[in-house]
Amino acid sequence: GENVEQHPSTLSVQEGDSAVIKCTYSDSASNYFPWYKQELGKRPQLIIDIRSNVGEKKDQRIAVTLNKTAKHFSLHITETQPEDSAVYFCAASKNNQGGKLIFGQGTELSVKP
Amino acid sequence: EAGVVQSPRYKIIEKKQPVAFWCNPISGHNTLYWYRQNLGQGPELLIRYENEEAVDDSQLPKDRFSAERLKGVDSTLKIQPAELGDSAVYLCASSLVAGETQYFGPGTRLLVL
Repeated sequence: GENVEQHPSTLSVQEGDSAVIKCTYSDSASNYFPWYKQELGKRPQLIIDIRSNVGEKKDQRIAVTLNKTAKHFSLHITETQPEDSAVYFCAASKNNQGGKLIFGQGTELSVKP
Repeated sequence: EAGVVQSPRYKIIEKKQPVAFWCNPISGHNTLYWYRQNLGQGPELLIRYENEEAVDDSQLPKDRFSAERLKGVDSTLKIQPAELGDSAVYLCASSLVAGETQYFGPGTRLLVL
């Protein structure tokens, strides 16, 4: 079955710097890749997603890139702010599994003022 | 628009006791998911419903876990009897249809003593 590996497990940056989180997946049939942000004790919230028919998607300070050949996708956050501090999860799914998300292990991002 | 609602938010029980969690998805969402999130890990799918039909329960430990989604709206997940290893956050999510964006509820944090 699908396996998603996420790195790094922890990431500390200074406010205003950029942060990059990387994920690799094993199943080449996966075609949907969402990223969720989870603050302590809160629900996972979708921040951006990408489907396999595009290579990059951007929403203000957040962007996601997808390399289908290498089977990896990355989250890029620019101009980080303290409120970006949270755990970020990548996930992958494919059509014939009805949206079943396989999550990575999570990255704890800390943005220092 | 109201998000996914779950109750209770917290539950502490002794091992071998039964426990039940309730979820009300976003109005109009046909697909409902139950995930379990262990500490420091990403969510893992337990069961997926399409309307009132359980279409993927391969990850549900059927000896002690059961779920239902009568009338295809809200859902209940039950554990009987609970074991120490069941301590986790139980997340409910819903999507308009399978494969579309999943929106998560706040989760039920279960502690089994």
